[in-house]
Amino acid sequence: EVQLVQSGAEVKKPGESLRISCQGSGYNFPTNWIGWVRQLPGKGLEWMGIIFPSDSDTRYSLSFQGQVTISADKSNSTIYLHWSSLKASETAMYYCACTTAGKGLVWGQGTMVTVSS
Amino acid sequence: EIVMTQSPATLSVSPGERATLSCRASQSVGSNLAWYQQKPGQAPRLLIYGASTRATGIPARFSGSGSGTEFTLTISSLQSEDFGVYYCHQNNNWPPWTFGQGTKVEIK
Repeated sequence: EVQLVQSGAEVKKPGESLRISCQGSGYNFPTNWIGWVRQLPGKGLEWMGIIFPSDSDTRYSLSFQGQVTISADKSNSTIYLHWSSLKASETAMYYCACTTAGKGLVWGQGTMVTVSS
Repeated sequence: EIVMTQSPATLSVSPGERATLSCRASQSVGSNLAWYQQKPGQAPRLLIYGASTRATGIPARFSGSGSGTEFTLTISSLQSEDFGVYYCHQNNNWPPWTFGQGTKVEIK
């Protein structure tokens, strides 16, 4: 069974850095695109970026280019989402999701990030 | 960027009735279209991929159709557990893959 397990909820102050993670299992992790989706409170789903773990080819949505960094550790079947300086407006639920041979997305359980002074 | 437009924004349906949700793409996405259901506090759940293939474990009352720019999700006989927000999603073109804004299905 394909499974994505995300790190736990985080509470941070504006200006702090943060890295959250997502570990995949049950499929060929290196050769399937996987990425991060943001959901602001009460809003819809937005792709932030995707990565191909085999060669770390990374692609960002324009809205998130330069705002976050996505990376992968294929030896640990894990991807990361990193902020160097958080803003209050980045309070949201963050999901990882992977493609599986054209059969739709498999989702992690979500990581709630709260940024508040 | 391909813009996905869903209609209606909200659908109120009585149990047992048919629900029809629409999704339109600003340019062709072929059959690279999936539907997801999201309930409060939960991650989205895959219903349909490839525009018309039901995912594993999805009841037969859910069906998808369409190709190119026009797609439909039909729930043939709405059950009380079918409430939630439904999103269409295209992964035909990056950057980026895109979701529709969602259709909220309410049980009347």
